[in-house]
Amino acid sequence: DTAVSQTPKYLVTQMGNDKSIKCEQNLGHDTMYWYKQDSKKFLKIMFSYNNKELIINETVPNRFSPKSPDKAHLNLHINSLELGDSAVYFCASSQYSGAEQYFGPGTRLTVT
Amino acid sequence: GESVGLHLPTLSVQEGDNSIINCAYSNSASDYFIWYKQESGKGPQFIIDIRSNMDKRQGQRVTVLLNKTVKHLSLQIAATQPGDSAVYFCAENLGSGSARQLTFGSGTQLTVLP
Repeated sequence: DTAVSQTPKYLVTQMGNDKSIKCEQNLGHDTMYWYKQDSKKFLKIMFSYNNKELIINETVPNRFSPKSPDKAHLNLHINSLELGDSAVYFCASSQYSGAEQYFGPGTRLTVT
Repeated sequence: GESVGLHLPTLSVQEGDNSIINCAYSNSASDYFIWYKQESGKGPQFIIDIRSNMDKRQGQRVTVLLNKTVKHLSLQIAATQPGDSAVYFCAENLGSGSARQLTFGSGTQLTVLP
């Protein structure tokens, strides 16, 4: 039983395209997050949602727009993809803000 | 710069030896710390955590030590096994209420040699 799942696992697309990554958690957690991991393995938080409400929005281009249709889902939509967007994107969830986070398997995005 | 950093980006140990991974943090207000393990192609996985009111916490083959005086955190892995090969991250928890968030260090690649 997958706790935090993401789709797709791999995403290859061209510059300028728009793409979405989906995330679902079946843990009953209230808080969900999106992280970006670069080629040097550095993990940086992008957004966090608590009960469908945006809580944290780090310095991320407004081409990135998270959407939380319900507490169990947090999707990430990216407009006008750029080469620098290539990275692995991780979704995570926690019971509440500040609690231990559970990570999804990641989505490797490659922009060509 | 990052508020959480690691002393060594890579660490190689012989199978069966003990491993020590270090982490420095800069914010004295941090009150909760977590170590994560990330295997190749997978998401980070929780290993062990520690709160600032503790100096030491032990799990199965792992021990986390917290030295608040020098703002230093370490992860000790006993009898390192090939399956321990991974990138290890320390993370500190900052903020209050719903805005609490994890800030991750840059990671240490642990390689276990046969």
